[in-house]
Amino acid sequence: DGGITQSPKYLFRKEGQNVTLSCEQNLNHDAMYWYRQDPGQGLRLIYYSQIVNDFQKGDIAEGYSVSREKKESFPLTVTSAQKNPTAFYLCASSIAASGGRTDTQYFGPGTRLTVL
Amino acid sequence: GENVEQHPSTLSVQEGDSAVIKCTYSDSASNYFPWYKQELGKRPQLIIDIRSNVGEKKDQRIAVTLNKTAKHFSLHITETQPEDSAVYFCAATPYSGGGADGLTFGKGTHLIIQP
Repeated sequence: DGGITQSPKYLFRKEGQNVTLSCEQNLNHDAMYWYRQDPGQGLRLIYYSQIVNDFQKGDIAEGYSVSREKKESFPLTVTSAQKNPTAFYLCASSIAASGGRTDTQYFGPGTRLTVL
Repeated sequence: GENVEQHPSTLSVQEGDSAVIKCTYSDSASNYFPWYKQELGKRPQLIIDIRSNVGEKKDQRIAVTLNKTAKHFSLHITETQPEDSAVYFCAATPYSGGGADGLTFGKGTHLIIQP
């Protein structure tokens, strides 16, 4: 999982502003994911992408947007429509499901977003 | 969609004793069950996983068991050590045939190892 990087580590945003979180991987993984983690909670899936130029909504996609123009990159934009964006955001990647099996997801170090 | 319940939320054990964390899932199509360990402020790290074609898997002091009929799986840690103190998450996902789907996580168990 050392091949997954997220930036910045900490991010502060004013209410009403959009902000983009970066996620890059050099593992040659096909699939990438975004999760949100709140204090005392498990991780919740925001968006995921199985291949370039394709992505699907997860359980809590409202107020977020993504793009997957390159295999290595899967940026997440937190829009002003997200009502409670303060959280720890984790990006993950996996080789891709093949042969009827799901592959291991490896996580980046996370970005802690605070809305002021 | 899938729903994963995890118990207990906090578990305190004496160093050297065993710890057991249990999870149940709702979607009978789920076939992959990983366990992650997360230290404070850090990323989750995979410690062990199991697929639905096996009932048990071991890796040194860690083991996972799966009961597909009852739709529950458990993490067992033997001979606990201070460095085992962390939050542990279980997760589940079905394989839809279209590629890699996201994981559904439990809410976590804070494991405390008492010296």
